[in-house]
Amino acid sequence: QKEVEQNSGPLSVPEGAIASLNCTYSDRGSQSFFWYRQYSGKSPELIMSIYSNGDKEDGRFTAQLNKASQYVSLLIRDSQPSDSATYLCAVFDTGNQFYFGTGTSLTVIP
Amino acid sequence: NAGVMQNPRHLVRRRGQEARLRCSPMKGHSHVYWYRQLPEEGLKFMVYLQKENIIDESGMPKERFSAEFPKEGPSILRIQQVVRGDSAAYFCASSPTYTNYEQYFGPGTRLTVT
Repeated sequence: QKEVEQNSGPLSVPEGAIASLNCTYSDRGSQSFFWYRQYSGKSPELIMSIYSNGDKEDGRFTAQLNKASQYVSLLIRDSQPSDSATYLCAVFDTGNQFYFGTGTSLTVIP
Repeated sequence: NAGVMQNPRHLVRRRGQEARLRCSPMKGHSHVYWYRQLPEEGLKFMVYLQKENIIDESGMPKERFSAEFPKEGPSILRIQQVVRGDSAAYFCASSPTYTNYEQYFGPGTRLTVT
């Protein structure tokens, strides 16, 4: 079982819609979770970090964490074409290692 | 405040040559991580370093690969006797402390082995 799993997509949403990206992880004791955005040919860019159960909002982005179910999600409201990218979920586990999912490709259709 | 810097951005090496990739962390950051990303694949952790110390190299291939982060100067990832399978994007990330796990990535070095 992979440490961090994401649907590879591609996920397509129309402009203005909500994009929902999901991630599950295997280490129940993990405490730190991150979402990165990576444009094609570029490096990952940190969008959000979340450490506690519940929601964390930052502009159009909301991260949601449910430790009991071992999943973390990212919602993008009012999606824009510029949001089209691959979104990487990352987890810092109890073994003090960072694990990245393989990413979900998002396309926002104008 | 300059971000994480990596050079070169592109590196072409023939099989059997050595590749040296450099990374300067963000100002105030003392923790450096190296990752490799193959085309259409996820980021794979290679090594985690602090100044003059390798903290975790569990993701590093046992042979041909080495990393250092000297007291002065950038962190260096060295690949000896490169093979075609080493062709990938190599990213460096830095974080301020071990208790703040947010990592910020450099632009990467694209290594091509011919």
